[in-house]
Amino acid sequence: AQSVSQHNHHVILSEAASLELGCNYSYGGTVNLFWYVQYPGQHLQLLLKYFSGDPLVKGIKGFEAEFIKSKFSFNLRKPSVQWSDTAEYFCAVRSGGGGADGLTFGKGTHLIIQP
Amino acid sequence: GAGVSQTPSNKVTEKGKYVELRCDPISGHTALYWYRQSLGQGPEFLIYFQGTGAADDSGLPNDRFFAVRPEGSVSTLKIQRTERGDSAVYLCASSLTGFSSSYNEQFFGPGTRLTVL
Repeated sequence: AQSVSQHNHHVILSEAASLELGCNYSYGGTVNLFWYVQYPGQHLQLLLKYFSGDPLVKGIKGFEAEFIKSKFSFNLRKPSVQWSDTAEYFCAVRSGGGGADGLTFGKGTHLIIQP
Repeated sequence: GAGVSQTPSNKVTEKGKYVELRCDPISGHTALYWYRQSLGQGPEFLIYFQGTGAADDSGLPNDRFFAVRPEGSVSTLKIQRTERGDSAVYLCASSLTGFSSSYNEQFFGPGTRLTVL
């Protein structure tokens, strides 16, 4: 069974600080990897995804993530955070290869950006 | 266009009662997913529909949980003999299609917050 581990449950940063949220997954086969974000009072929405090809993927709002297969990691980064980035961030994995699987999510990281 | 909608937004029930939670997917989306999110946890996969049929129900915790999608659009998640441990936010998501070697984004609804007293 797949599992996803997010290392930090709560992160507090000041505006303009750099961000890196860790994510590791357990599945050894072909995977699709995602970061979802949930802003206060809003739905879960897709931030970025890795499917194949370039392991460095760019998403919305200046976020990027790097897939490192040898480390089973898919860490989320942003060079300079803003107050509006305050949200809950979820890493998720789906087994690749055309299966009809749902997503397996990590427990989430609650990010607070202080002005 | 309209996104995924879920009703009710909140449901409070008593232990042992039966509840139904409804999901209206985005029009034209053939794949529909149910997830459950407990406090402090990420969403947990319950069941996936491709059209009218449940393609993967491996996440349903026990036989008190059942879901249907009779016309391939609206889906209802049914929980019998509710228990306090069923309290959670139940999320629905839909995507254009589920069976594909390329990923179709899952769009999530606002969820139904179920509280079992």
